[in-house]
Amino acid sequence: DSGVTQTPKHLITATGQRVTLRCSPRSGDLSVYWYQQSLDQGLQFLIQYYNGEERAKGNILERFSAQQFPDLHSELNLSSLELGDSALYFCASSVASQGRGGELFFGEGSRLTVL
Amino acid sequence: SQQGEEDPQALSIQEGENATMNCSYKTSINNLQWYRQNSGRGLVHLILIRSNEREKHSGRLRVTLDTSKKSSSLLITASRAADTASYFCATDMNTGFQKLVFGTGTRLLVSP
Repeated sequence: DSGVTQTPKHLITATGQRVTLRCSPRSGDLSVYWYQQSLDQGLQFLIQYYNGEERAKGNILERFSAQQFPDLHSELNLSSLELGDSALYFCASSVASQGRGGELFFGEGSRLTVL
Repeated sequence: SQQGEEDPQALSIQEGENATMNCSYKTSINNLQWYRQNSGRGLVHLILIRSNEREKHSGRLRVTLDTSKKSSSLLITASRAADTASYFCATDMNTGFQKLVFGTGTRLLVSP
């Protein structure tokens, strides 16, 4: 058990809909990362938050947004869903602060299926 | 786009054999990490090697890093069926705050 909790584990929805994925990081970790894993694109970095502030942005679509709340949990919002958004969405956390890279602890992921 | 490319894409060996996976990357890094993923599960950190290190060991794992060639290798010695998984390298690029970019992964199958 990594200590990172993601909900829901599975989600099936229709095109055009909006979903919210939730992540609770390990106790004490200030950084939260979101990744998307699909068969054709591999594991893609979406966005990182550190102590409530956005720190790095990757290949995140404009239809997607995220935030980290004062209690450090994070949410990834996916809107106007398309078939191609079907993927595993992972949240990871770390204690990383500037200049101190370390390991990431991954949750078990949220599997999104868009029909 | 992927920072790291792994080779081979898939590897099939017998129990007891060694498995070697290679990772190449494009830009300068703070560190390089290897992760393991069992099918459909979350990734698990295996080992981290910093840019000023050349080799690191952890149990049956040995990682090397050649920053001049922008490449790394992961060696798993005396493989077991339980080592069957996908293995990913991840590079922490020199951008101030940590931003791990994952490679394409190697699927390892260890047969009893």
